[in-house]
Amino acid sequence: EVQLVESGGGLVQPGGSLRLSCAASGFTFSTYWMHWVRQAPAKGLVWVSRVNSDGTSTNYADSVKGRFTISRDNAKNTLYLQMNSLRAEDTAVYYCARLTCSSTSCYFDPWGQGTLVTVSS
Amino acid sequence: DIQMTQSPSSLSASVGDRVTITCRASQSISSYLNWYQHKPGKAPKVLIYAASSLQSGVPSRFSGSGSGTDFTLTISSLQPEDFATYFCQQSYSTPTWTFGQGTKVEIK
Repeated sequence: EVQLVESGGGLVQPGGSLRLSCAASGFTFSTYWMHWVRQAPAKGLVWVSRVNSDGTSTNYADSVKGRFTISRDNAKNTLYLQMNSLRAEDTAVYYCARLTCSSTSCYFDPWGQGTLVTVSS
Repeated sequence: DIQMTQSPSSLSASVGDRVTITCRASQSISSYLNWYQHKPGKAPKVLIYAASSLQSGVPSRFSGSGSGTDFTLTISSLQPEDFATYFCQQSYSTPTWTFGQGTKVEIK
């Protein structure tokens, strides 16, 4: 079964750091681009970051650029999101997602169930 | 960035109803539009990709249409398991994959 499982969320003070992990199974992780998406309470989904299949290319939303770092360990089938200088507005459920492409389009499938990050004093 | 606007933001419907959700892009995105279903505490699930292609395993009561800036997700006969939040997403302008704000489908 193709599966993504996030971990590492929790309560952190403003200005603090947290590292999220996303364990992949059931597919050849090293051949897929991976993404992080977040959802703040009662808000919509917002794309956060992506990394290419070998980890050499990354992109970030403006709201997290310079504070968050996406990376991957293909030997461990794991995706990471290092979050530094956290702010209250970073409070959200964070999802990892695999980029899947057909002949006509790309989309996120599957997604993990998410891990909650709460930034509060 | 391309903005995605969904309507309505919520709706109440009964089992068996036909439900239509619309998504409008701030500029043309051709057919680079995906639809997802999201239930509380669960992983979001892709229903439709490339505006009208049904993802494998998704019931045929779900359908998508549109191109350019205007898109529609239709549930032909709402089932109890369909009560959820639905999001559209553009995949035209990457890497910023913008989503609509979501449409919550509730039981009437």
